[in-house]
Amino acid sequence: GAVVSQHPSRVICKSGTSVKIECRSLDFQATTMFWYRQFPKQSLMLMATSNEGSKATYEQGVEKDKFLINHASLTLSTLTVTSAHPEDSSFYICSARDPPAPRETQYFGPGTRLLVL
Amino acid sequence: AQSVTQPDIHITVSEGASLELRCNYSYGATPYLFWYVQSPGQGLQLLLKYFSGDTLVQGIKGFEAEFKRSQSSFNLRKPSVHWSDAAEYFCAVGGDNDMRFGAGTRLTVKP
Repeated sequence: GAVVSQHPSRVICKSGTSVKIECRSLDFQATTMFWYRQFPKQSLMLMATSNEGSKATYEQGVEKDKFLINHASLTLSTLTVTSAHPEDSSFYICSARDPPAPRETQYFGPGTRLLVL
Repeated sequence: AQSVTQPDIHITVSEGASLELRCNYSYGATPYLFWYVQSPGQGLQLLLKYFSGDTLVQGIKGFEAEFKRSQSSFNLRKPSVHWSDAAEYFCAVGGDNDMRFGAGTRLTVKP
């Protein structure tokens, strides 16, 4: 099946710094990628939808200037958490759609755990 | 607006017992429905999905789910649970470019 990777798997940073998380589709081209965050013991929350070559669409309540998303190629989307603060600590998961697959089939990455000190 | 409710936050079953995880949804049109499983520290894995057709869908690892439109439900079942099934289970509903997840149900399996 299709594989989605994320890098890094875990990152610890100081408050005020920026962190970039990469999401790659390894064996297919993903025109659309999604970014989610998951707080402990809670569900996934969709943050934004990233379409290759265009601006990301953010969900209500998600600060686009804080969570910068770039989908520059069909196999790579990046999420940059700018000026991170402890409340941004979370588990970030990306997913990607493989167009030939049945509609709404998403393949999920393993997630990136961010801890902001 | 679409939403997903998983009424049970935590369920404990004995190994070999049957399992049913509940999922209720609210969606304006015909929904696409999914069940995912998440093991600790890992990403989500799709167990099964319903788009149309037969309302009883079979998934991986011996799981099945039944779509009941009249009850707005999509409950996940397994006849005999294995210790390796202990994980977090998420129900999700979606259309084009929008997917909503339930809060998840944590499954504990007793020996």
